[in-house]
Amino acid sequence: DGGITQSPKYLFRKEGQNVTLSCEQNLNHDAMYWYRQDPGQGLRLIYYSQIVNDFQKGDIAEGYSVSREKKESFPLTVTSAQKNPTAFYLCASSSTGVRNTEAFFGQGTRLTVV
Amino acid sequence: AQSVAQPEDQVNVAEGNPLTVKCTYSVSGNPYLFWYVQYPNRGLQFLLKYITGDNLVKGSYGFEAEFNKSQTSFHLKKPSALVSDSALYFCAVRDPTGGFKTIFGAGTRLFVKA
Repeated sequence: DGGITQSPKYLFRKEGQNVTLSCEQNLNHDAMYWYRQDPGQGLRLIYYSQIVNDFQKGDIAEGYSVSREKKESFPLTVTSAQKNPTAFYLCASSSTGVRNTEAFFGQGTRLTVV
Repeated sequence: AQSVAQPEDQVNVAEGNPLTVKCTYSVSGNPYLFWYVQYPNRGLQFLLKYITGDNLVKGSYGFEAEFNKSQTSFHLKKPSALVSDSALYFCAVRDPTGGFKTIFGAGTRLFVKA
């Protein structure tokens, strides 16, 4: 089955810890994205990548880091510098072609600070 | 800078009645516009998109949307609502001259009552 897989589904982080959220896709998409979802605020873009070994900051990149070493993978690290990390995190991918440009989303990771 | 607004937090409609979920956008160039739907604790699912061409686009599950350049709007519509349409709906915009940065609205919760 083609798709985009996020793991884990639930993640608990202690104060001061770094945690890494996994995102893998087998859709052969060049572009990948990370969004954060908070109640009433919709989706906010953290980072995005259009090609391997390149990525750009979104609107709320502070306290987060990413890497894009492989086309299939775009992990997100939530660092201790992120002061309010409790949220629902969504990874997405898309083709860079004009016609098939819609995003495909994973099922999300719910991160909670304990 | 690109932006998208969904002016209604919630829309209530009776089953069988037509529904409209509103979206307005702002981009510097010709926009790519998208609608997605989200069910509880899940990722987003693509419904439809406008890239170019006919202003009325048809998508999944009987939904359609009309691109209105003069009003910078892209409202989602369905002629006859179903209870199963109850979900959170997101409008999104991409300025193709700005790469693949896709911005989402805050979302509109649709309630369809039987």
